[in-house]
Amino acid sequence: DVKVTQSSRYLVKRTGEKVFLECVQDMDHENMFWYRQDPGLGLRLIYFSYDVKMKEKGDIPEGYSVSREKKERFSLILESASTNQTSMYLCASSLRASGGEKLFFGSGTQLSVL
Amino acid sequence: GDSVTQMEGPVTLSEEAFLTINCTYTATGYPSLFWYVQYPGEGLQLLLKATKADDKGSNKGFEATYRKETTSFHLEKGSVQVSDSAVYFCALMKSYGKLTFGQGTILTVHP
Repeated sequence: DVKVTQSSRYLVKRTGEKVFLECVQDMDHENMFWYRQDPGLGLRLIYFSYDVKMKEKGDIPEGYSVSREKKERFSLILESASTNQTSMYLCASSLRASGGEKLFFGSGTQLSVL
Repeated sequence: GDSVTQMEGPVTLSEEAFLTINCTYTATGYPSLFWYVQYPGEGLQLLLKATKADDKGSNKGFEATYRKETTSFHLEKGSVQVSDSAVYFCALMKSYGKLTFGQGTILTVHP
C-alpha cells in the first residue's frame, strides 16, 4: 500500500514563527500536493509539484512556500505564521502514469498558531 | 472558475436507511468527477469516480452517476452501516492531477 507520512499529527506554534510541515511518500509518485482543510470550506489547494524542484501555485498560495529537493519529500513552509493559518494541513501524492486521478492522502497535521 | 457544491450537513441516519448526498459542479468542458471519503483519524481515500457523462462509479455499495445535463454527481447507498460514518467529499478534475473539492458532508449512522 502507498504510504504518505506527515511528520507531525499536532503542532502548536506562535505568531511570527517559521513553520515547516514535512511530507514523505514511499511509492515513487511524481505528483505531490499540499491542501488545507477548514470546516465548511472543504479542501483548498495551496501548492503542488509534478516533479523534483518543480512547483506550482494552487488556489491559496499566499503566506506559504514549498520545497521539493527529493522525489519522495514535499515540504510546506509558513514563512511567518499567522493565526489565520490555523488549520488541518493535508499532503497527497499521485502517480503520473495513472493520469494523476487517484490521490493518496496522509493523515494530516493539525496546526494551531497562537 | 471551477467549483463543487455539496449538500449541507451533517446528515444523520439510522442503520439500513437510504443515503443520498447531493453534489453539483460548475466547470467548462468535461471534468472527471470523484467521491472521496475520510474516516475518523484517517486521510482521505478515493471511494469512486466517473470520467465521462452517464458513467456510473461504484464501490462498497456506493454509487454515483455523472449527469452532465444537470451537472450533478450525487452519491447514493441503499442501506448504510454504522461503519459508513465519515466525511464525504465530492471533487472534480479538469487540469491534470489537480482536484477541486466540495466542502464535505459529515455522515453519522446510528445503530
